[in-house]
Order: sequence, then structure tokens, then C-alpha cells
Amino acid sequence: DILINQSPASLTVSAGEKVTMSCKSSQSLLYSENNQDYLAWYQQKPGQFPKLLIYGASNRHTGVPDRFTGSGSGTDFTLTISSVQAEDLADYYCEQTYSYPYTFGAGTKLELK
Amino acid sequence: EVQLHQSGAELVKPGVSVKISCKASGYSFTSYNMHWVKQRPGQAVEWIGVINPESGGTDYNGKFRGKVTLTVDKSSSTAFMQLGSLTPEDTAVYYCARCVYYGLTDWYFDFWGPGTMVTVSS
Repeated sequence: DILINQSPASLTVSAGEKVTMSCKSSQSLLYSENNQDYLAWYQQKPGQFPKLLIYGASNRHTGVPDRFTGSGSGTDFTLTISSVQAEDLADYYCEQTYSYPYTFGAGTKLELK
Repeated sequence: EVQLHQSGAELVKPGVSVKISCKASGYSFTSYNMHWVKQRPGQAVEWIGVINPESGGTDYNGKFRGKVTLTVDKSSSTAFMQLGSLTPEDTAVYYCARCVYYGLTDWYFDFWGPGTMVTVSS
């Protein structure tokens, strides 16, 4: 199974700050046939289902604010929120869909000061 | 508008089975694989498996093989997940999720159901 190491486990920031969180895979998630990374980021607010933020490591899903940016390729990936807003309070998960079984990181909990 | 509507919460006793449904609307049901994931309270997400609604073909996470059976009813655009021999460790929220296909394989989950809470308790 592909292991996904997500860090940090939690972040406490003030509104307006920039945050970054990391996702590292135990093997490359770059699919050579189409040169795409099979890595997605999801946001899960309390009591809600996960919502897609970023797919293919760096493609913002429809309707996602541009303060959310995904970057990286291969085994190392980053989700950046350029200026955190109160509504960004949530858990963030990365997921690999390169091979079965799909696996998720343990999540990063974003808390506001 | 794409929607995935899941059946309601279940409270069941250990040892029994439960069948959860996920009714799709707003798109061609057979054009997207349907995945299922598990999330225990306060825990991260685990991938359970996938079903191709057109063929009925399935793939399961080895951890859930024998525990879970995925099926579909194309006539009603509904996917089902049956969980058997339930134990307290099966207490969780179960989500269905539509997956976008790209290249030669599934790529990302673009729509999720709201989740079905299954509580296993005597």
C-alpha cells in the first residue's frame, strides 16, 4: 500500500496568515501515461462531508477560492492557503488515487487563534 | 445538478448486516465509478472500494474484503454497500463518492454523499 504522511497534524493561525501543509507519499504518484499526479486535497468542515479542493496536485476545483493553491509532484506535495479566513477552519486531507487501495493522509486540523 | 443522496442513520446490533444506499441524480450514473469510504469519529478517511456501475465490476481494499459487498441498481441509479458481521469497530460514517476518470484510471472524487452514520451497539 502507498503510505501518505501528512503534516503537521494541526495548525493554529490567525486570520490573514499564510499556511502551508505537507503531504508526502511513499512512492511517486506521477502517472507517466498522462504526466498527471494522482493526488487530491479535500477540506472537511465539522459535521460535513469532505469537499474537493485540489486535484492532480495543483488544479483548483470549480468554485474553490484562489487563496488555495496546491503544488508539488512525484512524492512531495503542498497545500497553501495564502490568507486564512475564518471559514477555512476545517480538517484537510490529501489522498492518492495512483493505485489501489487508495489511501488518505491522517489530516491536518486548521484552527484559528 | 449532481447529487448523491444517502440513506439514513442506522443503529444495529453486533453480528448483523446493514445495507446502505447512495442514489445518484443529475448525471449519467453509469459513466462514473462510485467509491465508498469510511470515517470513524475523529479519525481519518479509509478507502473501502469501488464499483463500476455499468459493468458491476468491483475492487476492494483488502482490509474490507469479506466485510463489504458493493452492488448497483442501474434502473434506479443507486449504489449499495452491504456491511456484514458488524462489530463496534464498524461504527463510522460511510460516504459514497463519484470519481472522475482521466487517462486510464480514476483520478479524483468530485462529488460526495452526505454520509450515513452506522452505529453498532448492543
